[in-house]
Amino acid sequence: NAGVTQTPKFQVLKTGQSMTLQCAQDMNHNSMYWYRQDPGMGLRLIYYSASEGTTDKGEVPNGYNVSRLNKREFSLRLESAAPSQTSVYFCASSEYHHFLGNTIYFGEGSWLTVV
Amino acid sequence: DAKTTQPNSMESNEEEPVHLPCNHSTISGTDYIHWYRQLPSQGPEYVIHGLTSNVNNRMASLAIAEDRKSSTLILHRATLRDAAVYYCVMNFGNEKLTFGTGTRLTIIP
Repeated sequence: NAGVTQTPKFQVLKTGQSMTLQCAQDMNHNSMYWYRQDPGMGLRLIYYSASEGTTDKGEVPNGYNVSRLNKREFSLRLESAAPSQTSVYFCASSEYHHFLGNTIYFGEGSWLTVV
Repeated sequence: DAKTTQPNSMESNEEEPVHLPCNHSTISGTDYIHWYRQLPSQGPEYVIHGLTSNVNNRMASLAIAEDRKSSTLILHRATLRDAAVYYCVMNFGNEKLTFGTGTRLTIIP
């Protein structure tokens, strides 16, 4: 079972370069998320998509753009990378069920270093 | 979003029970209480959830206070593989789900 798949797993960028992190889920979930996690810190929500065609800002959206391409895919773009964006990025998806709440499934993470 | 408070770190001996507390005094009546854990170099994974009643599954038990303002994740017999960061998360419906800094659990052999 693939679950949530994100690519690339590791990337080194120079300051000012751009890149896109790709994420896909095969669980037919409506909601998808991008989080970042800095060393020794908790997860911070960057952007959120409640359904195909909709996106919403999280706690730390500055410097990022997202695209919900279809129900399966949710990409995160860094237009001009900065060293402060060095972090581990996690994509996640979820579906609300009446007796379960909103259980989230995470990808394995993308380690991004901006030099 | 309901705010959660957890201890930064806890230690436990291997094969002993572990009780991980979480305070969520601003929880609303419709918020579910979810627990996730994050093993080193991995994404968080679901552990257990509940609404009002205590819950058990193969991984852990969840004890929820009668006023729902706190909960405790119970690992009945900790193993070295349980060393992780544990997050308590409140959520309802399609809310933006936010995680705090969690509790880093260290298991002592």
